[in-house]
Amino acid sequence: DTGVSQDPRHKITKRGQNVTFRCDPISEHNRLYWYRQTLGQGPEFLTYFQNEAQLEKSRLLSDRFSAERPKGSFSTLEIQRTEQGDSAMYLCASSLEGVGSPLHFGNGTRLTVT
Amino acid sequence: SQQGEEDPQALSIQEGENATMNCSYKTSINNLQWYRQNSGRGLVHLILIRSNEREKHSGRLRVTLDTSKKSSSLLITASRAADTASYFCATANTGGFKTIFGAGTRLFVKA
Repeated sequence: DTGVSQDPRHKITKRGQNVTFRCDPISEHNRLYWYRQTLGQGPEFLTYFQNEAQLEKSRLLSDRFSAERPKGSFSTLEIQRTEQGDSAMYLCASSLEGVGSPLHFGNGTRLTVT
Repeated sequence: SQQGEEDPQALSIQEGENATMNCSYKTSINNLQWYRQNSGRGLVHLILIRSNEREKHSGRLRVTLDTSKKSSSLLITASRAADTASYFCATANTGGFKTIFGAGTRLFVKA
């Protein structure tokens, strides 16, 4: 399978703990996105990479959130000092460069903060 | 914040009927896309319509775009139980790199 893969699929953590998620995009895609989705809502944009450069971060991405994409390959999203409000599905997507290139999504990491 | 808003929020129809979902957006766009999401899974791209296009077809899908009204519609003809999913419209701004999603329409097709 050469689609976007995310790991883990589910994560349960206690409030205050740090968590890290990984995304492996489609290999020839140079754009990588992170979105957050809560129940009954559409995905909310968090951040975007063009190769290894992080070009935009949403205001939703507080100082507790950090994302990296070393060498323009896989990406990690870390949440420090998790809060119950961080509970959501975290979706990763990748695309080719070009206006309107379709996003290819992974199946997400569902985070539950207790 | 969400750019697109879908209407209705939820739709329940019988198999074989057509399903129409509408999307409104706020700012100038380069293109508008529709995605589908099955429960607990990622989104799957269905169709893209550019700002200079008015209508596009793909199989049982028909998309229209009215840039003067900042609205789009997705029509699924001859629906099947397997079409049960959430459908989202998404817009890319004129810069082109950021895709913003609406809140979605939940479609339930009864067999």
